[in-house]
Amino acid sequence: GENVEQHPSTLSVQEGDSAVIKCTYSDSASNYFPWYKQELGKGPQLIIDIRSNVGEKKDQRIAVTLNKTAKHFSLHITETQPEDSAVYFCAAFPGGYQKVTFGTGTKLQVIP
Amino acid sequence: SQTIHQWPATLVQPVGSPLSLECTVEGTSNPNLYWYRQAAGRGLQLLFYSVGIGQISSEVPQNLSASRPQDRQFILSSKKLLLSDSGFYLCAWSAGPNYGYTFGSGTRLTVV
Repeated sequence: GENVEQHPSTLSVQEGDSAVIKCTYSDSASNYFPWYKQELGKGPQLIIDIRSNVGEKKDQRIAVTLNKTAKHFSLHITETQPEDSAVYFCAAFPGGYQKVTFGTGTKLQVIP
Repeated sequence: SQTIHQWPATLVQPVGSPLSLECTVEGTSNPNLYWYRQAAGRGLQLLFYSVGIGQISSEVPQNLSASRPQDRQFILSSKKLLLSDSGFYLCAWSAGPNYGYTFGSGTRLTVV
């Protein structure tokens, strides 16, 4: 089955700096890669996603890049703000299956 | 638009008592439904998923069971709770394979 590794597990950045979270996956058939943000005590929320026919996608301060050859994808947050502090999960969908494999999560702390 | 409702938000139950958590989805039909558990500071563990009424797939042998009595209703149950059942329970839905998940707000279960 699919295996997703996520790094780092914790990340502290100064407000205004950039943050990068990386995930690798094992199943080359995976073709959909969402990122979720989970604030304390709440359910995860989809913040950005990318499909395997696209190399990069951007939404304001958030971007995701995908390298299919190396089987890794990354979340980039620029100009970080305190409200970006949360746990971020990556995920990989091995096409045609009903369930997704999540990464283990990255706790991001933005220091004012 | 589609919405997902999960209740209760918090629950404190004694060991050996029964459990029933309910999740409903509005604004869509024939969704894929999922139950996840998240231990404190940990990742997302898939417990059950369902692709249709009465169809339940179990991912982890345990003290819990799930049922889908109606198209947009998913119930997580236990006959006798264990201390190890404590955690944050999340319901989610998707439109099918390779579609992002939408999570509910979660239920914080504490077994005492």
